[in-house]
Amino acid sequence: DAKTTQPPSMDCAEGRAANLPCNHSTISGNEYVYWYRQIHSQGPQYIIHGLKNNETNEMASLIITEDRKSSTLILPHATLRDTAVYYCIVSQTGANNLFFGTGTRLTVIP
Amino acid sequence: DAGITQSPRHKVTETGTPVTLRCHQTENHRYMYWYRQDPGHGLRLIHYSYGVKDTDKGEVSDGYSVSRSKTEDFLLTLESATSSQTSVYFCAIRPLDYNEQFFGPGTRLTVL
Repeated sequence: DAKTTQPPSMDCAEGRAANLPCNHSTISGNEYVYWYRQIHSQGPQYIIHGLKNNETNEMASLIITEDRKSSTLILPHATLRDTAVYYCIVSQTGANNLFFGTGTRLTVIP
Repeated sequence: DAGITQSPRHKVTETGTPVTLRCHQTENHRYMYWYRQDPGHGLRLIHYSYGVKDTDKGEVSDGYSVSRSKTEDFLLTLESATSSQTSVYFCAIRPLDYNEQFFGPGTRLTVL
């Protein structure tokens, strides 16, 4: 069962912020929001995760709405290397089965 | 990279033959996972391990078996490969006190 809804594709101009939305209206109180990305032909790469507060690391920022029903991953200055499929996943801490879905294919345009 | 290697990286085999894929980690992490990735399906969990000799099934385990006799190695076996098992297989690891999984480079398997 899909727990998240993401647009199938997005474009972003190089150097601009990429804002990737994710809806997770049925998220439970003990479920986190995780973001991974998969660059062509490589294994998925963990980006960031959060429970209810906004989070930031060296790769991205994660903004979670107050009702936790949606979130946005922000890549502040997209580069061509950020072209990838981005997966939004909701999961309990320590869960072993991550449901990846089909994600959003982000294309960064020169 | 998280210290995960997969072998082989590419394999072509015939229907009915046994195939074993190997995942090797240098991180000494407790949890290891096998996923398959097919167009239109994203990644789906096949089996996972929570310690030496401790394994459990994922959502698409039929036709696959696994073994973990050492912390560093997690083997995925297709006893009798079928064309429906043509896929890209990813191994992942997770430290005990972390939520994130770290993935290997993948193995592309083609069953003719």
